[in-house]
Amino acid sequence: EAGVTQFPSHSVIEKGQTVTLRCDPISGHDNLYWYRRVMGKEIKFLLHFVKESKQDESGMPNNRFLAERTGGTYSTLKVQPAELEDSGVYFCASSQLPRDRSYGYTFGSGTRLTVV
Amino acid sequence: EDQVTQSPEALRLQEGESSSLNCSYTVSGLRGLFWYRQDPGKGPEFLFTLYSAGEEKEKERLKATLTKKESFLHITAPKPEDSATYLCAVDLRGKLQFGAGTQVVVTP
Repeated sequence: EAGVTQFPSHSVIEKGQTVTLRCDPISGHDNLYWYRRVMGKEIKFLLHFVKESKQDESGMPNNRFLAERTGGTYSTLKVQPAELEDSGVYFCASSQLPRDRSYGYTFGSGTRLTVV
Repeated sequence: EDQVTQSPEALRLQEGESSSLNCSYTVSGLRGLFWYRQDPGKGPEFLFTLYSAGEEKEKERLKATLTKKESFLHITAPKPEDSATYLCAVDLRGKLQFGAGTQVVVTP
């Protein structure tokens, strides 16, 4: 079974530019999550999709961040315009149930975003 | 306020030297506590989920335990390949709140 795939693995952009991150969850997983880790801090929740609907977007930092999940398959996270404080590692995770009691949440390898 | 605190921040062990990592939590209504392992450049890799005080789970040299206020991850006779950052997270109504992690280095 393929895992959660994220790309790009790294992205370096200038302040003010736009970047789009993509996440392909495990096939059949209705629940998709975005998290991020900024320098020196713990991993923090951004938002949760159930199929194509946003279940919880309480962790989104501001309106420069836009997440979509068209058709309930892959998801994109767009940052526009990017600011220096957006630098960090963005993780995507998926699960079959809201809380997959047997296997936890499966994470991708992350996208390291550097804004210069 | 919900909080997850891990200690120590870093741990250096000799191969074979057993030790324990701590994760203390303050949450209203624990729905599950997760342990993950993270290697450099990779995402968190699931290890265990614990749901109720007194529960224990084991996998190879790792054993996780849970009380009402904290969880321990015991590493028995570690090997260099156990070197990683170990993350604890609690389930808050379908989303995870992570601790800062414990970086473990096991030297031969």
